[in-house]
Amino acid sequence: AQSVTQLGSHVSVSEGALVLLRCNYSSSVPPYLFWYVQYPNQGLQLLLKYTSAATLVKGINGFEAEFKKSETSFHLTKPSAHMSDAAEYFCVVRVSSNTGKLIFGQGTTLQVKP
Amino acid sequence: EAGVAQSPRYKIIEKRQSVAFWCNPISGHATLYWYQQILGQGPKLLIQFQNNGVVDDSQLPKDRFSAERLKGVDSTLKIQPAKLEDSAVYLCASSLGFGRSTDTQYFGPGTRLTVL
Repeated sequence: AQSVTQLGSHVSVSEGALVLLRCNYSSSVPPYLFWYVQYPNQGLQLLLKYTSAATLVKGINGFEAEFKKSETSFHLTKPSAHMSDAAEYFCVVRVSSNTGKLIFGQGTTLQVKP
Repeated sequence: EAGVAQSPRYKIIEKRQSVAFWCNPISGHATLYWYQQILGQGPKLLIQFQNNGVVDDSQLPKDRFSAERLKGVDSTLKIQPAKLEDSAVYLCASSLGFGRSTDTQYFGPGTRLTVL
């Protein structure tokens, strides 16, 4: 069965510093992977998705993620954090193309300090 | 393009009462999903519709939860009777069609339910 594990429920960085949010997946078949962001009192917004094309995926707001099959990882990065990046981030795996069901990680809260 | 609409945004009820949530997906989206997000956790799929048919309701507590998508557009999710542990945010999402590898789910703002 597919699953995702996000390492660290809370990450704190200074404004301008590198953002690194870690995600490892478990899947017996090539996975479809996503990162979603949830701002306070708002719905989930898609940041980026991996669908077996390029292993380095660029998303919105300067975020990117690299799919590493050998490490079963899909970490999210951003070179320079902005105060507006403070939110909760979810790593997500799609179960299969037959159902579209998404399995969410527990989430990582990103705090950005001035 | 309008996004996924949900109402109400907030609801407070007593335990054993009933409650209903409404969702209007993005126009043209065949697939509709209801998720439950308990505080501190990631969303969990409750039910998935393709047009007006159910694709997956394996995690829907059918003794108290029900959902329908009449005419394959709007959907309602009902809880009757509510329990304290039903306190959560209920998210609706829609997508063009889950059979596509590039299919993306778009989420509404959610309904925050508090059961007292």
